[in-house]
Amino acid sequence: DAKTTQPPSMDCAEGRAANLPCNHSTISGNEYVYWYRQIHSQGPQYIIHGLKNNETNEMASLIITEDRKSSTLILPHATLRDTAVYYCIPTLISNAGGTSYGKLTFGQGTILTVHP
Amino acid sequence: KAGVTQTPRYLIKTRGQQVTLSCSPISGHRSVSWYQQTPGQGLQFLFEYFSETQRNKGNFPGRFSGRQFSNSRSEMNVSTLELGDSALYLCASSRNRDLIANTGELFFGEGSRLTVL
Repeated sequence: DAKTTQPPSMDCAEGRAANLPCNHSTISGNEYVYWYRQIHSQGPQYIIHGLKNNETNEMASLIITEDRKSSTLILPHATLRDTAVYYCIPTLISNAGGTSYGKLTFGQGTILTVHP
Repeated sequence: KAGVTQTPRYLIKTRGQQVTLSCSPISGHRSVSWYQQTPGQGLQFLFEYFSETQRNKGNFPGRFSGRQFSNSRSEMNVSTLELGDSALYLCASSRNRDLIANTGELFFGEGSRLTVL
């Protein structure tokens, strides 16, 4: 599994964009970048994932650098309910060998605090 | 639709006892994974079940075991409890094992919080 580096904590003002970086310089060609978050006392929640193209859904945008060694999760208009721990997780998506499905390797993540 | 349901939500055991935790996946989901979350180690993968068979296993001692039933419901068991087993145990489900066809999303329950005294 690729190692990841995320800042331990970040702050963001409500209504502003939150940009959460992740370094995954050892990511392999068949590993997607997944982002999950965990709000206090809840189970982790899927946000978005991508391989090499930028992705956007109703929750967030994911920007992956061309060399795929880093990515940034963007919450365009952060709200207080976005306060959570955000995890960047390179994950083998190929079913070859079936070794990664269901297995997410969580790091320490980034504690994002959104302030009023 | 109903989410992943885990029972019990909270429980207290003493060292040496055993515990069984239950997970009901989202209807139609056939893959169930289990995770342990502690303040020191974070979220760690325990094992994954699909079609009643364990398909993948994390680095945990044999005291940790699980099973999956024909209706996809799953249980995990921890025997001879130790103080260090105090944790939040999370279950996640997904429709099948093919991530490419499945968007790769795992749906997590709210967990069972185990305290070992």
